[in-house]
Amino acid sequence: TQLLEQSPQFLSIQEGENLTVYCNSSSVFSSLQWYRQEPGEGPVLLVTVVTGGEVKKLKRLTFQFGDARKDSSLHITAAQPGDTGLYLCAGARAGGTSYGKLTFGQGTILTVHP
Amino acid sequence: GAGVSQSPSNKVTEKGKDVELRCDPISGHTALYWYRQSLGQGLEFLIYFQGNSAPDKSGLPSDRFSAERTGGSVSTLTIQRTQQEDSAVYLCASSRGSYPSRDEQFFGPGTRLTVL
Repeated sequence: TQLLEQSPQFLSIQEGENLTVYCNSSSVFSSLQWYRQEPGEGPVLLVTVVTGGEVKKLKRLTFQFGDARKDSSLHITAAQPGDTGLYLCAGARAGGTSYGKLTFGQGTILTVHP
Repeated sequence: GAGVSQSPSNKVTEKGKDVELRCDPISGHTALYWYRQSLGQGLEFLIYFQGNSAPDKSGLPSDRFSAERTGGSVSTLTIQRTQQEDSAVYLCASSRGSYPSRDEQFFGPGTRLTVL
């Protein structure tokens, strides 16, 4: 059972276009993280959101955590070829035996063409 | 080094052989995680060590998989009697452990395992 559904799985766009990646679940998460991974490397953290409705901006990237803390989105404005990579969302469940364990979405492979 | 290191970077083995994958976490990090990643896909949780607590082994896919963490630092993931479906990239991550559900996880570059 996939607890975090990430979409789209593939995204191929031209430089300068905007895009949004979605991460949805029926479960509530205490926090949600977004990572970016390049080929041959491990994922690198972009942002952590912890409060329902929270919006964080990182240059051209905008991250939002849903009010109910069940979903999140990543919006990239004016995409550049350097944004190419695998984007992963990961949620941490609140308490219990799952404490500290991240559940990852399937990932979105983004390709930005010059 | 300053980051998480993993060895070997690549491992090719024959079906039925045992393999050991090593992870050196960032010094001082009390939490250590192992994940498995198929090509271009998300990460599948395998096992989580936090300090001296019993590890969370709930993600290990079968009893052929085991992991140890010695002295609260280096960890070894062992796969016995490897099968072709074990082929994947195995990623290790560590974090400070001060707030596990929010801590940034720092990942190593992974070990690419190929079972022939």
